[in-house]
Amino acid sequence: GAGVSQSPSNKVTEKGKDVELRCDPISGHTALYWYRQRLGQGLEFLIYFQGNSAPDKSGLPSDRFSAERTGESVSTLTIQRTQQEDSAVYLCASSPGLAADTQYFGPGTRLTVL
Amino acid sequence: RKEVEQDPGPFNVPEGATVAFNCTYSNSASQSFFWYRQDCRKEPKLLMSVYSSGNEDGRFTAQLNRASQYISLLIRDSKLSDSATYLCVVNTMNDMRFGAGTRLTVKP
Repeated sequence: GAGVSQSPSNKVTEKGKDVELRCDPISGHTALYWYRQRLGQGLEFLIYFQGNSAPDKSGLPSDRFSAERTGESVSTLTIQRTQQEDSAVYLCASSPGLAADTQYFGPGTRLTVL
Repeated sequence: RKEVEQDPGPFNVPEGATVAFNCTYSNSASQSFFWYRQDCRKEPKLLMSVYSSGNEDGRFTAQLNRASQYISLLIRDSKLSDSATYLCVVNTMNDMRFGAGTRLTVKP
């Protein structure tokens, strides 16, 4: 069966542009997570969805970041007016239900802001 | 204080060695705990969950000490293929927090 997929795999953009990152979770997984990993650093939790709802958005670094999920499936993470410090790998993970479940990670989107 | 802390390493050990990693967490309400493995430039993958009674999977043993708020991972008879970064993960009220990871290099 298919795992978690993310697109694009790589994105290079200019400072100030908006970018949209996509995550397709494993079919049937109700929980979906977004993380950011800067080079050589650990994972930084951004947001999670239970179904289409995100109960806590406080992990998003700034109001330039937003995320949505539709149909309890695809999720998009949007970064507006990108800054160089946004450069990182953005990882998506899904799990069957509660956060206590195993998370399955996608391959990530490597974002480079010039 | 960080919510989840790990010694970043690196740990450089010879093949066959036993190596142990510790991880401490700050929130006593944390509910579940995991070790993930991340290879260079790859996504993290679950290595094992950590149960209160401790659990073992082949050469890997995980322990949880709630009183002291730490978890550990023991790798016995280390292999070259064990070289990776090991991430400690703590779940608190559906909020997953990852440690920065401990880098392990196993050498011939």
